[in-house]
Amino acid sequence: KNEVEQSPQNLTAQEGEFITINCSYSVGISALHWLQQHPGGGIVSLFMLSSGKKKHGRLIATINIQEKHSSLHITASHPRDSAVYICAVSRGAQKLVFGQGTRLTINP
Amino acid sequence: GAGVSQSPRYKVAKRGQDVALRCDPISGHVSLFWYQQALGQGPEFLTYFQNEAQLDKSGLPSDRFFAERPEGSVSTLKIQRTQQEDSAVYLCASSPNNQGTYLFFGSGTQLSVL
Repeated sequence: KNEVEQSPQNLTAQEGEFITINCSYSVGISALHWLQQHPGGGIVSLFMLSSGKKKHGRLIATINIQEKHSSLHITASHPRDSAVYICAVSRGAQKLVFGQGTRLTINP
Repeated sequence: GAGVSQSPRYKVAKRGQDVALRCDPISGHVSLFWYQQALGQGPEFLTYFQNEAQLDKSGLPSDRFFAERPEGSVSTLKIQRTQQEDSAVYLCASSPNNQGTYLFFGSGTQLSVL
């Protein structure tokens, strides 16, 4: 079993829909990251969370430390949001453990 | 530059050839990480530097893989005698601190071994 599990693996939605991507982890962590990767592009860090909730524009990230679970929400989704979204956790040591990613496609 | 820069962007190598991949982190960033991302998978940790010191190389898959950061800035990942299973995107990330937070990633080097 992977230390970091994401669901769904693939998600297709229509423009304007509310999107939720989930991440569960099985180990104690010091922080959780949500990352965005466009095809052929590098990775962009969206959020780093150790507790609670963060919001940036149409993106919202929440984390529940007790349940070892985090969610990434996108409101009013747009085709330009189409990308792979990756959850990664750090465990005090510096290296990250990544989930396999969720491929999001937003159709116009 | 403003971000983490990696070169080359694409590299095609014949099996058995040696390759060198370069990472220019953001100036002043203490931490530098190398990750390997196979097609359709999430990145996997290779190695970590704090300044010029390689503090963790537990993710390097074999002794054919070697990384250095001699002056605490630019880093090079070298793969000797490349094999087809080495084909992947190699990502570099840097952080201004030693906590692994506020990571900035490069665009990666896509290595194809034929």
